Amino acid sequence: KNEVEQSPQNLTAQEGEFITINCSYSVGISALHWLQQHPGGGIVSLFMLSSGKKKHGRLIATINIQEKHSSLHITASHPRDSAVYICAVHSLRDDKIIFGKGTRLHILP
Amino acid sequence: NAGVTQTPKFQVLKTGQSMTLQCAQDMNHEYMSWYRQDPGMGLRLIHYSVGAGITDQGEVPNGYNVSRSTTEDFPLRLLSAAPSQTSVYFCASSYSSGQDNEKLFFGSGTQLSVL
Repeated sequence: KNEVEQSPQNLTAQEGEFITINCSYSVGISALHWLQQHPGGGIVSLFMLSSGKKKHGRLIATINIQEKHSSLHITASHPRDSAVYICAVHSLRDDKIIFGKGTRLHILP
Repeated sequence: NAGVTQTPKFQVLKTGQSMTLQCAQDMNHEYMSWYRQDPGMGLRLIHYSVGAGITDQGEVPNGYNVSRSTTEDFPLRLLSAAPSQTSVYFCASSYSSGQDNEKLFFGSGTQLSVL
């Protein structure tokens, strides 16, 4: 079983819809990252969370440390949000960063 | 600040050749790491470093060497390239694990083909 699991693997939605991507992990962590990768593009960090909730524009990220779960929400989704969203955790055990396999999001105009 | 500078962007090698992928950051980050990204596999950790003079193996270290003689640089060496090393490689850096508001910064990636 992967130590970081994301769901769904793929998501197609209409422009304007509210999007939720989930991340569950099984190791103790010091931090959790949400990353974005556009097709053929580089990887950009969206959020780093160690507790609570963060908001940046239309993006909201939450984390529940006790439940070992995080969510990334996109409000009023737009075709330019189409990308792969990756969850990564910084493991307390060995200082490694462990990545989920990503969620491929496609927003239709 | 230039951020994380990774070179080259593209490389084609023949089986058995060696090469070095360069990674440099100017943010005084302690943590640096190398990943490979393959279709359907996500990002997999090759090697990482928590500071100058310290390196450790990740999930897929075989066939790769690293060194961290300075805080700024973290080169990845392919000793004898194999077709299985065809992949996209990313370097990343950050401050020490868990510091609040400290994001991961990635290089632009290297697309490597081994024939």
